[in-house]
Amino acid sequence: AQRVTQPEKLLSVFKGAPVELKCNYSYSGSPELFWYVQYSRQRLQLLLRHISRESIKGFTADLNKGETSFHLKKPFAQEEDSAMYYCALRRGSTLGRLYFGRGTQLTVWP
Amino acid sequence: GAVVSQHPSWVICKSGTSVKIECRSLDFQATTMFWYRQFPKQSLMLMATSNEGSKATYEQGVEKDKFLINHASLTLSTLTVTSAHPEDSSFYICSADQGASYNEQFFGPGTRLTVL
Repeated sequence: AQRVTQPEKLLSVFKGAPVELKCNYSYSGSPELFWYVQYSRQRLQLLLRHISRESIKGFTADLNKGETSFHLKKPFAQEEDSAMYYCALRRGSTLGRLYFGRGTQLTVWP
Repeated sequence: GAVVSQHPSWVICKSGTSVKIECRSLDFQATTMFWYRQFPKQSLMLMATSNEGSKATYEQGVEKDKFLINHASLTLSTLTVTSAHPEDSSFYICSADQGASYNEQFFGPGTRLTVL
């Protein structure tokens, strides 16, 4: 079975501070990991995926297979980063359902 | 990026009536669409996976006779909540899989259902 765990339901930081949203997963195969973001009153949208290995809006995430983690990081948080962040897993790089974590509400204070 | 629309964006109905929600992929064909339910400030719960031309696959605990899913074309899937009750009030979200290499799921804006 597969599972995605986001231990923090709420996370608050001040503007300019570093931020790390934690995501751990359990899956015996080779997963594909994603971070989705949902801004207030907007639809869920893809932020980044581990296979792309890119930085989006200053965010990065590295897949650590040893620790089965895919933490999302940004060195200097901005107020516009305030949103709900979901970590998601898909089994392999094929068509298929996403398994979502419960989400972390990030609030960046001015 | 690809766009997924949902209609209606919100609906209020009386208990016992049925409500149909449409999910459309506007600029791509989606072999597979997914239907989720989201409670306030909570994660998305997958209800069912909808494949064009075949029966939907429902997640455990989801009543297939209550939540009817039809995926009649590569750009349209519908979710019908039959004999709706107040406990069915929720935010329903669909997503569509683009199906290409490094495929990505695109999400609709959601439909807010309120059953009185």
